Amino acid sequence: KQEVTQIPAALSVPEGENLVLNCSFTDSAIYNLQWFRQDPGKGLTSLLLIQSSQREQTSGRLNASLDKSSGRSTLYIAASQPGDSATYLCAVKGSSNTGKLIFGQGTTLQVKP
Amino acid sequence: EPEVTQTPSHQVTQMGQEVILRCVPISNHLYFYWYRQILGQKVEFLVSFYNNEISEKSEIFDDQFSVERPDGSNFTLKIRSTKLEDSAMYFCASSAAPGQGVGQPQHFGDGTRLSIL
Repeated sequence: KQEVTQIPAALSVPEGENLVLNCSFTDSAIYNLQWFRQDPGKGLTSLLLIQSSQREQTSGRLNASLDKSSGRSTLYIAASQPGDSATYLCAVKGSSNTGKLIFGQGTTLQVKP
Repeated sequence: EPEVTQTPSHQVTQMGQEVILRCVPISNHLYFYWYRQILGQKVEFLVSFYNNEISEKSEIFDDQFSVERPDGSNFTLKIRSTKLEDSAMYFCASSAAPGQGVGQPQHFGDGTRLSIL
């Protein structure tokens, strides 16, 4: 059974710092991996999607990498800003036959001015 | 940018009552999903829907739950007889326009907070 884990559970950094959020999954046979942002009491905003054949995806100050064989993904945030404060979730899709996303518990990021 | 919309944002219901949560997916998407998030816990998959039928459901999605696409725009989740443990945030999501593959990102609504008293 696929399990997704995110470490750390919480992170506090000063503004301007570069940071890395980690996501690991137990079954390497994934179809793709999606990173989301969740603001308190709000829905999930899709940030990046990495297909299983890809190694990384970039959007602005965000870069997500995927190492399928080791069951790991990282989300790199460059030059963090207070507006980046939120919970970041990763989720994996197991195969082309399922739409089900399996989520990690998230990393809550606080960027201090 | 197109978005998934959910109503109501908060629903308070007495235990044992029926509740219907409503979603308007992105207009040209073909795949629809419901997830829930109990406070402090992970987001959990409930059900996926494609071509007017359920394509997959989790063990949470028992006989008390049903989904429907009553027209070309709405997608609903019904809970027939609510229990205290149904209290959660319920998220609707959609993905994949015609011609796109199954590996498209899922786009989520802001959720309906369901409180069972």
